[in-house]
Amino acid sequence: DARVTQTPRHKVTEMGQEVTMRCQPILGHNTVFWYRQTMMQGLELLAYFRNRAPLDDSGMPKDRFSAEMPDATLATLKIQPSEPRDSAVYFCASGLGASGSPDTQYFGPGTRLTVL
Amino acid sequence: GESVGLHLPTLSVQEGDNSIINCAYSNSASDYFIWYKQESGKGPQFIIDIRSNMDKRQGQRVTVLLNKTVKHLSLQIAATQPGDSAVYFCAETYGQNFVFGPGTRLSVLP
Repeated sequence: DARVTQTPRHKVTEMGQEVTMRCQPILGHNTVFWYRQTMMQGLELLAYFRNRAPLDDSGMPKDRFSAEMPDATLATLKIQPSEPRDSAVYFCASGLGASGSPDTQYFGPGTRLTVL
Repeated sequence: GESVGLHLPTLSVQEGDNSIINCAYSNSASDYFIWYKQESGKGPQFIIDIRSNMDKRQGQRVTVLLNKTVKHLSLQIAATQPGDSAVYFCAETYGQNFVFGPGTRLSVLP
């Protein structure tokens, strides 16, 4: 049963610390998405990649957030320095979209981040 | 698990009844729509999708209706079960843009 995996599932850190979240997309999927979910804002798209190239990261605060895909099996989202307002659940999703085709996205279980 | 929204609209239905969850989308150019279900503590799960050249699509116990004239999408769940209790999101896609709606909480009463 193929699924997206995310680590860690929970992270508690102090303000100013670096946070790295990891995602393993479903094998063979070529599109990876990062979302943030909070009670107030709902689901927000932060960034997404197709064939490891960033297509859109306009939803991501550039000064502290960065997203990369070192290889096809790993996507990372880093926050440096972290702030209390970054506390949220961060979801990774993967899809099998081709250029010009819509994506059905399969979500991971999320990383719950708490910044004190 | 986390709560996905303190002020989400909530739909309460009796077990066994049919549920209809509505969604208004924003962009008339959107060409692909998806419904997701999110249970507490889990990520959103794909339920059913529909392209803009269709107005109805059926799955197992679920039907999605698309009315492009008024930019409205609905999800119908037949014979609602306790396991259907969750938050339901619609999502629209246009070009490389993906936008999720705010969600509706479905509560199934015994």
